[in-house]
Amino acid sequence: DAGVIQSPRHEVTEMGQEVTLRCKPISGHDYLFWYRQTMMRGLELLIYFNNNVPIDDSGMPEDRFSAKMPNASFSTLKIQPSEPRDSAVYFCASSSGTRRYGYTFGSGTRLTVV
Amino acid sequence: GENVEQHPSTLSVQEGDSAVIKCTYSDSASNYFPWYKQELGKGPQLIIDIRSNVGEKKDQRIAVTLNKTAKHFSLHITETQPEDSAVYFCAATSGNYGQNFVFGPGTRLSVLP
Repeated sequence: DAGVIQSPRHEVTEMGQEVTLRCKPISGHDYLFWYRQTMMRGLELLIYFNNNVPIDDSGMPEDRFSAKMPNASFSTLKIQPSEPRDSAVYFCASSSGTRRYGYTFGSGTRLTVV
Repeated sequence: GENVEQHPSTLSVQEGDSAVIKCTYSDSASNYFPWYKQELGKGPQLIIDIRSNVGEKKDQRIAVTLNKTAKHFSLHITETQPEDSAVYFCAATSGNYGQNFVFGPGTRLSVLP
């Protein structure tokens, strides 16, 4: 298995631009999570899906952030408009609810908003 | 909601010595406690986990202990090696379904040769 695949690995964008981060979970996993990692706040859960349905989006910082999961093999996290304070590493992770093991994380997308 | 604290924030040990990282959690309903290792430029990787019905678990040089009464759990690494140098995160289950985790702030472990 190729693991959780995220793209792009790095993204540099100007303030005000739209940014889309992408994630392909491990095949067969029915949970998908989006986390944000910063030095100040550590690993923060933004949103998670079960069977493509958003379960908890209370961690999404504001309306500028949105996430979708149109099918079991693809999810996006969109920021529109982006701001410098959105600069962080964004991780996607997936897990199998039936096995109740820990997550498998992707390699992350390092976002820099200038 | 769940709150996870982790200590120390940084830890330096000599190669071959042991390292211990401690975490506390607040939600007595939490029942699963994974530990993750994050190397530079990579995502966190699960290294060991423990469930609330178990007090200790070992995997080669790594062990985790859990004290449900005190609501704390610890990671023990013996015979440390330079490749153990990384940031380690503890986590505890949270939420109504116990599927999402709250992570501790992390411990940066440096193993000095």
